[in-house]
Amino acid sequence: DTGVSQNPRHKITKRGQNVTFRCDPISEHNRLYWYRQTLGQGPEFLTYFQNEAQLEKSRLLSDRFSAERPKGSFSTLEIQRTEQGDSAMYLCASSKLLTGLETQYFGPGTRLLVL
Amino acid sequence: RKEVEQDPGPFNVPEGATVAFNCTYSNSASQSFFWYRQDCRKEPKLLMSVYSSGNEDGRFTAQLNRASQYISLLIRDSKLSDSATYLCVVNKNFGNQFYFGTGTSLTVIP
Repeated sequence: DTGVSQNPRHKITKRGQNVTFRCDPISEHNRLYWYRQTLGQGPEFLTYFQNEAQLEKSRLLSDRFSAERPKGSFSTLEIQRTEQGDSAMYLCASSKLLTGLETQYFGPGTRLLVL
Repeated sequence: RKEVEQDPGPFNVPEGATVAFNCTYSNSASQSFFWYRQDCRKEPKLLMSVYSSGNEDGRFTAQLNRASQYISLLIRDSKLSDSATYLCVVNKNFGNQFYFGTGTSLTVIP
């Protein structure tokens, strides 16, 4: 399977715990995005990387959230001191610029439930 | 004002019907436009990019109206398998954020 993969697919945690999610993009894609999606809403942008550089972070992203892409390949998203409001689907997407058009491809997501 | 706005629906249509969705965007500098399809509890999947001249892919036709800042998706001869949420996506410029609408829910009824 050469698509975007994410692990774990599901995570249940208690409030106050830290969680980390992993995303493996399509291998030749140099851009990687993280989104959060809640029921009835579209994906909400969190942050994105071009290669290993984190180029943009949403103003909505609190200090408890951090993302890395150390070698420009896979990425991790960590949430510290989780809150019930963090419960959502966390989606990763990768993209490549081709003939002037950038198209995103999504992974299956990690569904987080904070109790 | 939201970057992208869509009518959430739901749209309930009989098999074989034609249905159209519109989406408006607020930033006139937007450059790229897409429709994604999302099935329940699954990830969004690219349905089609939207080009200035409009484009068609089988039963699906996408149009862009820059003057009025909206894009549309037309589905002809609806199938039961078309039931999903359709997300409108706008990108201001290469390398910038992608903005998603809240999605329009479609149910095709036998």
